Amino acid sequence: AQSVSQHNHHVILSEAASLELGCNYSYGGTVNLFWYVQYPGQHLQLLLKYFSGDPLVKGIKGFEAEFIKSKFSFNLRKPSVQWSDTAEYFCAVGMISGGSYIPTFGRGTSLIVHP
Amino acid sequence: DAGVTQSPTHLIKTRGQQVTLRCSPKSGHDTVSWYQQALGQGPQFIFQYYEEEERQRGNFPDRFSGHQFPNYSSELNVNALLLGDSALYLCASSSDREGNEQFFGPGTRLTVL
Repeated sequence: AQSVSQHNHHVILSEAASLELGCNYSYGGTVNLFWYVQYPGQHLQLLLKYFSGDPLVKGIKGFEAEFIKSKFSFNLRKPSVQWSDTAEYFCAVGMISGGSYIPTFGRGTSLIVHP
Repeated sequence: DAGVTQSPTHLIKTRGQQVTLRCSPKSGHDTVSWYQQALGQGPQFIFQYYEEEERQRGNFPDRFSGHQFPNYSSELNVNALLLGDSALYLCASSSDREGNEQFFGPGTRLTVL
């Protein structure tokens, strides 16, 4: 069965620290890759996405992610986090199945940034 | 332009009851997906509706059913509620023309007592 693993469930950083959140998936077919963010009290929002082309993808708010096909990974990075980045982060992998397209989500990483 | 809307925002039911949750997709979207998000977990795919038919289904029992209307809005029905059905139910809309990016609504918080 397809699955998405996020290795870090809880991350605590100080402002200006660098961030990297891991995401690996198990699926041998074509995938589209997403990172979503859920700020406290708000609904899920798309941070960035990868469909094809340059495996280094830039998203909103200074986030970027790199797709490494050989490692089945799509790690999220930000060089310098801010207090406002405190949120829950979800990796999602869209796997084509039966002519449809269904994202499978990881369990999420809770990020707390101390000012 | 309204995004994805869901109603109600909160709901309390007792075991054995039935519940209906509603979703209106983002303008221009024709596909609606439903997810269950338990506390501390990521969203789990329930099913997806396109052209008023269930196109794909996740690993959920038949107690979970849905419907899509001609205006693309959708309902999620859950029968014979169990305590374990307590969760945040998310609706997401998408369109093949936009690369199937999922736009999420705020969710309905269901509590089963």
